[in-house]
Amino acid sequence: GDSVTQMEGPVTLSEEAFLTINCTYTATGYPSLFWYVQYPGEGLQLLLKATKADDKGSNKGFEATYRKETTSFHLEKGSVQVSDSAVYFCALTLSGGYNKLIFGAGTRLAVHP
Amino acid sequence: GAVVSQHPSRVICKSGTSVKIECRSLDFQATTMFWYRQFPKQSLMLMATSNEGSKATYEQGVEKDKFLINHASLTLSTLTVTSAHPEDSSFYICSAGGATGGIDTQYFGPGTRLTVL
Repeated sequence: GDSVTQMEGPVTLSEEAFLTINCTYTATGYPSLFWYVQYPGEGLQLLLKATKADDKGSNKGFEATYRKETTSFHLEKGSVQVSDSAVYFCALTLSGGYNKLIFGAGTRLAVHP
Repeated sequence: GAVVSQHPSRVICKSGTSVKIECRSLDFQATTMFWYRQFPKQSLMLMATSNEGSKATYEQGVEKDKFLINHASLTLSTLTVTSAHPEDSSFYICSAGGATGGIDTQYFGPGTRLTVL
């Protein structure tokens, strides 16, 4: 079945370090891919998305490229801040319209000063 | 824009009682709303999808008679947990589609933490 696999956390980094959170997917169709972020005590927020192969989603210094050949959508940021500490969820949805999101397990990121 | 609210943010109830959770899209019309459940340190699991004016579609394994969903307007969906038991304690999150983020983008509410004693 369709699924999303994320690297296990927690990921602990010092401020200004480079971040990579790996995400791979399995899907029978042509999914749209998303990264959502959940800050402590808050709901999920859309961070970025990509809807087709080779698209790059970017927002707030984060970016991820839709790699169909490796079925991956890894999240990267060149220089993390303490305020980036949160749980990051990779997700996919198939086709268009409001189809259901399939989430990965989430990766907790802790950034220390 | 694209704000989704939930009420209450947390609720504690006795076993056997029913609890209603509201999900509202504040600045857009949501043709479709989704209800998720999130266990501690785990991902979100979709419970059901509701479209305004029609019956909800439940995911496999979700009891439709226990988790009643009503989507009576384009800005409001409710989830009622009937005859709640301690195993229903969880974090319930709704999301709504139909905002400016694109046809396949959902916007999430802040969640409701339910504790059943």
